[in-house]
Amino acid sequence: GENVEQHPSTLSVQEGDSAVIKCTYSDSASNYFPWYKQELGKRPQLIIDIRSNVGEKKDQRIAVTLNKTAKHFSLHITETQPEDSAVYFCAASPWPYSGGGADGLTFGKGTHLIIQP
Amino acid sequence: ETGVTQTPRHLVMGMTNKKSLKCEQHLGHNAMYWYKQSAKKPLELMFVYSLEERVENNSVPSRFSPECPNSSHLFLHLHTLQPEDSALYLCASSQPTGLAGIRSGTGELFFGEGSRLTVL
Repeated sequence: GENVEQHPSTLSVQEGDSAVIKCTYSDSASNYFPWYKQELGKRPQLIIDIRSNVGEKKDQRIAVTLNKTAKHFSLHITETQPEDSAVYFCAASPWPYSGGGADGLTFGKGTHLIIQP
Repeated sequence: ETGVTQTPRHLVMGMTNKKSLKCEQHLGHNAMYWYKQSAKKPLELMFVYSLEERVENNSVPSRFSPECPNSSHLFLHLHTLQPEDSALYLCASSQPTGLAGIRSGTGELFFGEGSRLTVL
């Protein structure tokens, strides 16, 4: 099965600086890579995703890059703000997923991002 | 409001109790999930229901018993739990991406707020 490794487990950056979180996956059949953000005491929410037909996707201050050859993908947050403090989870799955649900997702362990004022 | 509601939000139970967690979604999705979230661990998929049929059961102990009476409701019945079962239990829903004959989803999981379970 799929195995997703996520690093670092904790990341502390100064407000205004950039943050990068990296994930690697093992299954070459995976071609959908979402990122979820979970603020303290709240539910995880999708913030951005990418499919293997593109190498990069941006949405304002966040971007995701994908290297299918190396089987790794990264989340980039620029000009970090206090509200970016949260736990971020990467995930991987095949697309489309024929196992019944949309969820063939395998999650990483999460990165606790701390924005220092 | 994401449309996925879980009750209760907090639950404390003894190892001999029987309780149930409830999840309801108002998004018209055809797939629902139970995840377990423990500290320092990835989100662990427990059960998947698609079109009201269980399609995945990831080696979950039998002391956890899911029930999906219709596409909008999902239950997790708990009995004779262990202290290590204490965790946040998250329900989620989505629209399947690869099933013939039904509208395809985006792949996004919509989570509930979770039920924080403490087993004494």
